[in-house]
Amino acid sequence: SQQGEEDPQALSIQEGENATMNCSYKTSINNLQWYRQNSGRGLVHLILIRSNEREKHSGRLRVTLDTSKKSSSLLITASRAADTASYFCATDARGYSTLTFGKGTMLLVSP
Amino acid sequence: ETGVTQTPRHLVMGMTNKKSLKCEQHLGHNAMYWYKQSAKKPLELMFVYNFKEQTENNSVPSRFSPECPNSSHLFLHLHTLQPEDSALYLCASSLEDRDRGRNEQFFGPGTRLTVL
Repeated sequence: SQQGEEDPQALSIQEGENATMNCSYKTSINNLQWYRQNSGRGLVHLILIRSNEREKHSGRLRVTLDTSKKSSSLLITASRAADTASYFCATDARGYSTLTFGKGTMLLVSP
Repeated sequence: ETGVTQTPRHLVMGMTNKKSLKCEQHLGHNAMYWYKQSAKKPLELMFVYNFKEQTENNSVPSRFSPECPNSSHLFLHLHTLQPEDSALYLCASSLEDRDRGRNEQFFGPGTRLTVL
């Protein structure tokens, strides 16, 4: 399977702290995407990083990509209670026609 | 709001019922998707439509039948479902560019389906 695997499965932090989630995958990719899902709702796209990029920023989000290690990380700085959600990575693997999602990391940010 | 709407938001049906889920997008996207999300499992891709043509059918049982009458609408017709089909069904759309790989997908809020 080429799907991404997020780590950790669950993360609990206090408001103001940084949260780091990791994603590992198995095959070469065109791009990797991160999504957020609030409980029982649809997924929301956060950021896309292409295979020739190493780092990307969007507001309080920072994504890195290491294609040699086949891994990516999502950093949320100065977390807020509203960041509580599940976070998924999705890989666009070469040779495959669709995105493949991992099982996600559940992030709980306590006030 | 993502620009993708789904109706109904909640659906309870018996195993002998026939119902349909509807998805609509007015984002000008050329691809639409049905996903199934069950507890503690990865998001499962069910069907993909590119330019109204079905391009993926990931071994989905025939009791699920998709329909894409135009590039803005996608349906999932349900009949004789099983209790294990209870899940959150998500629709998504995207603007595909074969030269640059998969672009971001925009998801609807989902339909929470319960099969009794």
